[in-house]
Amino acid sequence: KNQVEQSPQSLIILEGKNCTLQCNYTVSPFSNLRWYKQDTGRGPVSLTIMTFSENTKSNGRYTATLDADTKQSSLHITASQLSDSASYICVVSAQVSGYALNFGKGTSLLVTP
Amino acid sequence: DTGVSQDPRHKITKRGQNVTFRCDPISEHNRLYWYRQTLGQGPEFLTYFQNEAQLEKSRLLSDRFSAERPKGSFSTLEIQRTEQGDSAMYLCASSLETGSNTGELFFGEGSRLTVL
Repeated sequence: KNQVEQSPQSLIILEGKNCTLQCNYTVSPFSNLRWYKQDTGRGPVSLTIMTFSENTKSNGRYTATLDADTKQSSLHITASQLSDSASYICVVSAQVSGYALNFGKGTSLLVTP
Repeated sequence: DTGVSQDPRHKITKRGQNVTFRCDPISEHNRLYWYRQTLGQGPEFLTYFQNEAQLEKSRLLSDRFSAERPKGSFSTLEIQRTEQGDSAMYLCASSLETGSNTGELFFGEGSRLTVL
């Protein structure tokens, strides 16, 4: 069964600090992995999309890594800001016909002053 | 085009009433998805369309849920005889499919349903 597991479930950090969120998956055959940011009460917004051949991808202070061999991804946030407080969702797409997306439950991040 | 639009943003209804949500996708996108999201959970897939064809509906939560995309443009999600357990955020997303891979999803802001 295709699964996407995210950890930690929630995280509290001080403004200015760095943090790393984890995503482990069992989706096969693998197509791509996406990270989304979802502010409370809003729809998710895409941060990065990575294919099998991409190990690292950055979007401003967000850097995603992918290890397709171990089926792990991480999202690193540098110099956190209060506006980074949100839920971060990992989505893994399978290389199949039909509906192919597998969502994690998300990591809830709170950045405090 | 300003992105995916959903209407209404908030809906409060009494148990047993029918509700309908509308989604206007990004105009050039050919795929449209509906998701349900409850507090602290990731989006739960309900159904999706490729143009006007509904390609997957087995994951609609019950026969009280139905979706349409009559002309391959906007879509509606209807919940009949609402129950308190239907209270959730209903998200719509769209994407442009040009091959075998699912393209980037663009989400709307969601329609929050409260069933009293």
